[in-house]
Amino acid sequence: GQNIDQPTEMTATEGAIVQINCTYQTSGFNGLFWYQQHAGEAPTFLSYNVLDGLEEKGRFSSFLSRSKGYSYLPLKELQMKDSASYLCAALDSNYQLIWGAGTKLIIKP
Amino acid sequence: NAGVTQTPKFRVLKTGQSMTLLCAQDMNHEYMYWYRQDPGMGLRLIHYSVGEGTTAKGEVPDGYNVSRLKKQNFLLGLESAAPSQTSVYFCASSYSGRAQVIPDTQYFGPGTRLTVL
Repeated sequence: GQNIDQPTEMTATEGAIVQINCTYQTSGFNGLFWYQQHAGEAPTFLSYNVLDGLEEKGRFSSFLSRSKGYSYLPLKELQMKDSASYLCAALDSNYQLIWGAGTKLIIKP
Repeated sequence: NAGVTQTPKFRVLKTGQSMTLLCAQDMNHEYMYWYRQDPGMGLRLIHYSVGEGTTAKGEVPDGYNVSRLKKQNFLLGLESAAPSQTSVYFCASSYSGRAQVIPDTQYFGPGTRLTVL
């Protein structure tokens, strides 16, 4: 079956660095997306990887290892507004997005 | 440019009632999607459309019907609502699910919060 795993919740301190991990198992693979979702709002696109390595995009870079079925989202210099859920989603061989349940990031002052 | 809009934003139904959720996009996107989001679970695809006049089933289509009569609109219908359909419903759209280089990003509407009593 197809599956996306990510931690349910993480806590970090304002100004710190945190890494949100995601592992995936899909039938075929056409890339991995990260979305941010603030409470009560719609998901918004953060980053996309299809090749191994780090995709740098300002504060929201993302890393992918296809051989390990693994991605992570490194968040630097955390701000209170970064408190949100971070959704990992893999694109399968049919170009359908398989979504993880999301990681709720709580940032404390 | 409003992006993706959804109506209504909130609705409470009684078991057995019917309703239609409307999604509209003004970005000329070909693909449109209906998802539901429940606590502790990822977004689950209900139905999707790859163009005007076409629809297809997603992961959890039972109890729902859809129509795409116009390119900019995608309707989700519940013929006989059940408490299990209490959820937040998101509509999304994208240029295409199979772009050449980078699969196109899905843009989401604000969601409809539906409660079935």
